[in-house]
Amino acid sequence: DTAVSQTPKYLVTQMGNDKSIKCEQNLGHDTMYWYKQDSKKFLKIMFSYNNKELIINETVPNRFSPKSPDKAHLNLHINSLELGDSAVYFCASSLRDRGYQETQYFGPGTRLLVL
Amino acid sequence: AQTVTQSQPEMSVQEAETVTLSCTYDTSENNYYLFWYKQPPSRQMILVIRQEAYKQQNATENRFSVNFQKAAKSFSLKISDSQLGDTAMYFCAFTGNQFYFGTGTSLTVIP
Repeated sequence: DTAVSQTPKYLVTQMGNDKSIKCEQNLGHDTMYWYKQDSKKFLKIMFSYNNKELIINETVPNRFSPKSPDKAHLNLHINSLELGDSAVYFCASSLRDRGYQETQYFGPGTRLLVL
Repeated sequence: AQTVTQSQPEMSVQEAETVTLSCTYDTSENNYYLFWYKQPPSRQMILVIRQEAYKQQNATENRFSVNFQKAAKSFSLKISDSQLGDTAMYFCAFTGNQFYFGTGTSLTVIP
């Protein structure tokens, strides 16, 4: 009965590889997000989808490509991984109500380590 | 531009004491939501408390309460009877059309 789930939880890979992180929510929310949290613990929003439509696309290298097959899923694919991509990636979801974003619920995070 | 500012990068408190974490925000919107999230060493982001801007009454959740000053655009979190398990990073967040997070305050509860 997990609300927001991410797979994998840990990802260790070599520079130059391509990897994907998957996210699923069973809360019936219409908006999903990807955040990157670096070693200083700053939360940086990367992407946001509302009803499968990209609504936020921050300044992120185009090696990062999100994909939302439906409202309950938001995946993140990363090409040509670099050392600086090492971080914790969080998926989150919320419901848009009367033009406002309601409470965000977060997944457990995916710890990515690029060697 | 909408921003959230947490001016205290690190704080500490003795167990059983009370501590207040500060947060200010800037927005031109009249209706919005404010949140405090807790991130313990496990890195899980946990909602602590939520406040709706149109409600004058300050939100409370057990030992956690807020002091919401709409005119001053201030939203501080008070933790009473601090426990060791309260040691975590605390993020203030504001949402209107989209979410904005502060840079966080690292709180350490000292036994």
